[in-house]
Amino acid sequence: AQSVTQPDIHITVSEGASLELRCNYSYGATPYLFWYVQSPGQGLQLLLKYFSGDTLVQGIKGFEAEFKRSQSSFNLRKPSVHWSDAAEYFCALSGFQKLVFGTGTRLLVSP
Amino acid sequence: GAVVSQHPSRVICKSGTSVKIECRSLDFQATTMFWYRQFPKQSLMLMATSNEGSKATYEQGVEKDKFLINHASLTLSTLTVTSAHPEDSSFYICSARPNLGQGSYNEQFFGPGTRLTVL
Repeated sequence: AQSVTQPDIHITVSEGASLELRCNYSYGATPYLFWYVQSPGQGLQLLLKYFSGDTLVQGIKGFEAEFKRSQSSFNLRKPSVHWSDAAEYFCALSGFQKLVFGTGTRLLVSP
Repeated sequence: GAVVSQHPSRVICKSGTSVKIECRSLDFQATTMFWYRQFPKQSLMLMATSNEGSKATYEQGVEKDKFLINHASLTLSTLTVTSAHPEDSSFYICSARPNLGQGSYNEQFFGPGTRLTVL
């Protein structure tokens, strides 16, 4: 069965500090992996995606993620967080037809 | 490119009425669209997969007679919440998967969501 785990329900980071959001997956084949961001009352915006090739993926808004097959992980990183990054972040895995989402991590940015 | 719209963005209705939500892919064709439901501070729950020209596939536990899905064209899917009750109040989000040759395989583009409140 395919599943996505985001172990951190919420994380607080100081503005300007670095960020890492964790994502672990379970899937029997090569996964297609995504990170989405959702602001309150809004839909989902794609930050980045991994299908194959280079395991370090660059996305929008200065985000990047690294696919590590040995650890079944796809962690999201940003070197310097801005107050506007405060939002809910979802990791997702694409299996046959469907996207499976993690439970999300809420990012809070402190001054 | 790859924009998905939803209408309305917010709707308030009385208990017992039906509400229709539209999902449109504006600049691409999508044989397959998806409908999700999201409760406050929770993740997205897939309700059903909508396929153009055929019946939708509902996830386990989702009442197909309650949530009617119609995918009449390659750019439009509709979700009708029939005889809505307060427990149907939620945030409904649709997504569309571009047909082969338009975008990456299995990638979905999401609409902005519809907030349904049933009084």
